[in-house]
Amino acid sequence: AQSVTQPDIHITVSEGASLELRCNYSYGATPYLFWYVQSPGQGLQLLLKYFSGDTLVQGIKGFEAEFKRSQSSFNLRKPSVHWSDAAEYFCASSSNTGKLIFGQGTTLQVKP
Amino acid sequence: GAGVSQSPRYKVTKRGQDVTLRCDPISSHATLYWYQQALGQGPEFLTYFNYEAQPDKSGLPSDRFSAERPEGSISTLTIQRTEQRDSAMYRCASSRSSSNTGELFFGEGSRLTVL
Repeated sequence: AQSVTQPDIHITVSEGASLELRCNYSYGATPYLFWYVQSPGQGLQLLLKYFSGDTLVQGIKGFEAEFKRSQSSFNLRKPSVHWSDAAEYFCASSSNTGKLIFGQGTTLQVKP
Repeated sequence: GAGVSQSPRYKVTKRGQDVTLRCDPISSHATLYWYQQALGQGPEFLTYFNYEAQPDKSGLPSDRFSAERPEGSISTLTIQRTEQRDSAMYRCASSRSSSNTGELFFGEGSRLTVL
């Protein structure tokens, strides 16, 4: 069955430091992969998505993610974190009906 | 509308009562999804609609849960005889189509608390 795993429930980084959030997927074929961000009191917002082609995808707010088939991973990165990046981040893959399968989420805390 | 709108934002109810949540999707969007998100978890799929058709309701936890989209626009999610385990954030999302490459636009959610 299709599944998404985010191994880190909570991560704390200092403002200005680099960030990497891990995501592993389980799917037979090449999946369609997404990262969403959820800020307090807000809906989920799409950061970026991967369908095919270049395995390094750029998203909004300076985020990028790299698809690695050999590791079944789609990790999210940002070179320099801002205090406003503190939020919950969800990795997801989609089925052929557009139904998203989400990971458990990673809560990012940013220290001043 | 401009975005996905959900109401009520917060609902507190007593166990055994029925609850109806409403979702008003982006007006041009054919597809509408319902998700349930328990505290500390990612959203879990409940059901979805293509216009008024409901091709997949495999995620509904029990027959106490039902959803409608009678005119292919606004949708409601009804939970009958609520139980404490139904307490969660219920999220609605819409997209242009049910293609797996489509972006889902999420509403702010309806937080349900069952006492």
